Amino acid sequence: SQQGEEDPQALSIQEGENATMNCSYKTSINNLQWYRQNSGRGLVHLILIRSNEREKHSGRLRVTLDTSKKSSSLLITASRAADTASYFCAGGSQGNLIFGKGTKLSVKP
Amino acid sequence: EAGVVQSPRYKIIEKKQPVAFWCNPISGHNTLYWYLQNLGQGPELLIRYENEEAVDDSQLPKDRFSAERLKGVDSTLKIQPAELGDSAVYLCASSPVPGGYEQYFGPGTRLTVT
Repeated sequence: SQQGEEDPQALSIQEGENATMNCSYKTSINNLQWYRQNSGRGLVHLILIRSNEREKHSGRLRVTLDTSKKSSSLLITASRAADTASYFCAGGSQGNLIFGKGTKLSVKP
Repeated sequence: EAGVVQSPRYKIIEKKQPVAFWCNPISGHNTLYWYLQNLGQGPELLIRYENEEAVDDSQLPKDRFSAERLKGVDSTLKIQPAELGDSAVYLCASSPVPGGYEQYFGPGTRLTVT
């Protein structure tokens, strides 16, 4: 079963713009992670935020977590064509990850 | 450092036939996961191993799916017999520590059942 929903399901932007993706989850989590998947490839870990953290940065990525609303957001600043991929949030609990359905991001040059 | 290796990358079989997927995790990673990913969806956990022990197989359809991880390294996932609805990508991932921390994914095996 899926953990939750990403919003939007698809996002198309121009290179240089910022991209924001939201994720809602259903159950209690120890951490929330974001992964990227290029077409036909495996998933690549981007960033992990623990349940006691509210915001985390890594390069052009900014992740927020609101445990009271069971939601997270991923912001990619100054997007590049190479950022074109599907992005998944995953809630970590009891040793497992439960993934959302993903947001398909298209960055046009 | 070599990543997670999976084979084959693609497999086409007729329904009712058996099929097996192989995974070699990153060296030293004791935790191994098998996921199923349908088109346009996120991965769904099938089974998690800690060393050679299957610690969570609650989502594995045991009537037709089986898995093993002999010696706590490589793992094999088998489907017998395959059904049309099993067409999907089967992903293997490994992690250096348990507890749902960062997972490293292989490229997956795309299964088509005709």
